[in-house]
Amino acid sequence: EIVLTQSPGTLSLSPGERATLSCRASQSVSSSYLAWYQQKPGQAPRLLIYGASSRATGIPDRFSGSGSGTDFTLTISRLEPEDFAVYYCHHPWTFGQGTKVEIK
Amino acid sequence: QVQLVQSGSELKKPGASVKVSCKASGYTFTSYAMNWVRQAPGQGLEWMGWINTNTGNPTYAQGFTGRFVFSLDTSVSTAYLQISSLKAEDTAVYYCARDNNTMVRGVIITLFDYWGQGTLVTVSS
Repeated sequence: EIVLTQSPGTLSLSPGERATLSCRASQSVSSSYLAWYQQKPGQAPRLLIYGASSRATGIPDRFSGSGSGTDFTLTISRLEPEDFAVYYCHHPWTFGQGTKVEIK
Repeated sequence: QVQLVQSGSELKKPGASVKVSCKASGYTFTSYAMNWVRQAPGQGLEWMGWINTNTGNPTYAQGFTGRFVFSLDTSVSTAYLQISSLKAEDTAVYYCARDNNTMVRGVIITLFDYWGQGTLVTVSS
């Protein structure tokens, strides 16, 4: 069973700053299966990235994904106020524990 | 447009049962599998399993066998999650999520591309 470990648990940043979120798999996985979801308080998750690096429909290009093997990264190039949320990586059929991006 | 609309919040006593519905619209219901995801208060996302909307065949994740049942009524494009013998630790928001199988680099992958709004189930005496 694959375990996904996200770090850091919380990222405190200011609007306009760059956010780098990490997702580490317990064993090598195909990047095709790695996805990222965003969840805002009181809302359902939203698909951001699939196949490790492909943006879902309607996702702004400030969001990018990369990685392979066991190490994957979600980068938000310049944080907008609406980007402060919890981010989960996903590989069938498990989620990471989440990284909260909060306003500093 | 694609929509998944779930039934409203439930307050149940321990030992009771609950049935959560997820009504789909805006697409052909039987063309996409449906997943269920649990989120306990203040916690992360936990995949519960999925149901093949063509055959009605369910698959349950570890930890969600026995008391959890996925079902369908394709005549009204609705998926259901039933939980029996409720326990306090079942208190959570339950989401349905459409499974959009997509080809990526020659591999068919699972994407949860549309989600219901979530249903809060509270189990308390």
